[in-house]
This record gives sequence, structure tokens and C-alpha cells, in this order.
Amino acid sequence: AQSVTQLDSQVPVFEEAPVELRCNYSSSVSVYLFWYVQYPNQGLQLLLKYLSGSTLVKGINGFEAEFNKSQTSFHLRKPSVHISDTAEYFCAVSDVTGGSYIPTFGRGTSLIVHP
Amino acid sequence: NAGVTQTPKFQVLKTGQSMTLQCAQDMNHEYMSWYRQDPGMGLRLIHYSVGAGITDQGEVPNGYNVSRSTTEDFPLRLLSAAPSQTSVYFCASSQRGTMGYTFGSGTRLTVV
Repeated sequence: AQSVTQLDSQVPVFEEAPVELRCNYSSSVSVYLFWYVQYPNQGLQLLLKYLSGSTLVKGINGFEAEFNKSQTSFHLRKPSVHISDTAEYFCAVSDVTGGSYIPTFGRGTSLIVHP
Repeated sequence: NAGVTQTPKFQVLKTGQSMTLQCAQDMNHEYMSWYRQDPGMGLRLIHYSVGAGITDQGEVPNGYNVSRSTTEDFPLRLLSAAPSQTSVYFCASSQRGTMGYTFGSGTRLTVV
């Protein structure tokens, strides 16, 4: 079975500072990895995904994430955050070999950007 | 607009009542799922479907039923509502899961 751990429930940061949201996963098989963002009172939107190939993936809104197989991590980064990045961020993992591709989500990290 | 449509957006139920949360997508996606979101718990999978006529249970299926008679629709039925089912419910769809999921805007359900 797969699982996802988001190591920080809340990350406060000042505007224009860099940020890293941490995600570790547990799976015995190959996986697909995703980051989603949820703005208040909205559904989730896909930020970026890792399926295969280059371990550094770029997404929307200037976010990027790096897949590290040896550390089973998929941390999300942005070099300079804006107030508008304040939201809940979810990491998710899908089991590739099982064929169902149903993602398991972490508990979320609340990014709070202060002016 | 293309996407996942959920109705209603808000609902208050009394304990013991039943209701159906509607979900429809117009992207011809094979995969559809229902999640519930509770504070500090992230999203937990209730039921999912990998195609019309095929459904399976997720992590927290008790008290919920689903069916998938068409590709477009995936309704979630609460059989006898309980206060523990107070939550925000999200429907999502995907083309085989490799492209990530498209989420609806959610249904906020309160059971009193």
C-alpha cells in the first residue's frame, strides 16, 4: 500500500522569500507523483506531476518539484512567493503497477504568505 | 464549460435522511472518484470507478453507495446520514490517472 507524508502542516513565509514544501512517500512499486493546490472554498487544481524522465519537473505559477527516488521524496519549491500563493497544498502518489492509478493524498500543507 | 460539475454546493441533512450528491464530467474521462475532506485529514477516498459499470471501494466506504451507469455521471448516495458524515465532498475525474485529476468545486454537507 502507498502512503504520503507531508512533513509540515503549516509553513509561514514572507512575500518574495523562497519556500519548500516537503513530501515523502512510501510505496514498494513504481509511482506517479503529483502536487495539487487548493485555494479557499475551491476544489483542487493540479500544479505539476512526475511520471518518468527528468527528476526536476516544472509546473504552473512558477512552482517546481524534484523527485528523489533514493529518499522517496517529492518536495515542492518556489524561489519567490507571492501573497496569492497562500493556499493549501497537497502531495499525492499513484501506484503505477497496480493499474488503477488512484492517488493517495497527504494531509496537506497550509502555505501562509505574509506581506 | 468543460470540467467536473457537482451539485448541490451546500446541503443540510437531518440524521437518518438519505440523499444523492451528483457529479458529472464532460471530458470523456474513464476514471472518477469521490473524496471527503476533513480538517487535518487531507482527502480520503470513498469510492472510485475505472469505467462505466465498474466501481470499487476506497478507504472510507461505509455509509456510502455509488453506481456508474454512464461515463459522464458518478452519483454518491448517503444511505442514512450521520453527523460523522459532515464534511466537504469532492468528485474528481481523470483519463487513466496519468494526467492527474480534475476536481469539482465540492459539496459542503452538514448533518445535524
